[in-house]
Amino acid sequence: DADVTQTPRNRITKTGKRIMLECSQTKGHDRMYWYRQDPGLGLRLIYYSFDVKDINKGEISDGYSVSRQAQAKFSLSLESAIPNQTALYFCATSDKDTPNQETQYFGPGTRLLVL
Amino acid sequence: DQQVKQNSPSLSVQEGRISILNCDYTNSMFDYFLWYKKYPAEGPTFLISISSIKDKNEDGRFTVFLNKSAKHLSLHIVPSQPGDSAVYFCAAGTYKYIFGTGTRLKVLA
Repeated sequence: DADVTQTPRNRITKTGKRIMLECSQTKGHDRMYWYRQDPGLGLRLIYYSFDVKDINKGEISDGYSVSRQAQAKFSLSLESAIPNQTALYFCATSDKDTPNQETQYFGPGTRLLVL
Repeated sequence: DQQVKQNSPSLSVQEGRISILNCDYTNSMFDYFLWYKKYPAEGPTFLISISSIKDKNEDGRFTVFLNKSAKHLSLHIVPSQPGDSAVYFCAAGTYKYIFGTGTRLKVLA
């Protein structure tokens, strides 16, 4: 079983719709992250959370919100989707208590198309 | 302004030869530098990292070199294998990371 799962894997929605992307992890990690990948732009950090009560904005948080419902769950919401939010979205986790704490473990990604 | 740059979008190398992927950064305060590999339809997977206090880290066929004065790091893969064909991202930071745009490596059999 995958350690970091994302649902849905693919989603098509219309401009103005609200959409939620979900991430779950079984690694027991405290830290969770949401990134988006666009062609030619690499991965850009949207939000990150170091524990259940901690939420921080990343490079490109405008138009997004997040919820850390539990240590294992971190959701990303687009309140009113727009076409330039079409991208590949990745969730990642890391563990502050391991020697290699800088390593992040990524989910398989959610491909989102906003029409 | 991009703080982490991978200026080569693609690279082709013959099987058995060395692959060298390059990455430049602008912020001298970065503590860690990482390389990730990404196959199509999968998330990135961690490959190798280096701390800012070191200049070389080796793991099997993979070696990362860090030149702090030039703000440059490179990933060497020796010998290259067809299974190494993927997109490689470098990342820099401390507990939160800035990623480069990726280099697509193709290893030719």
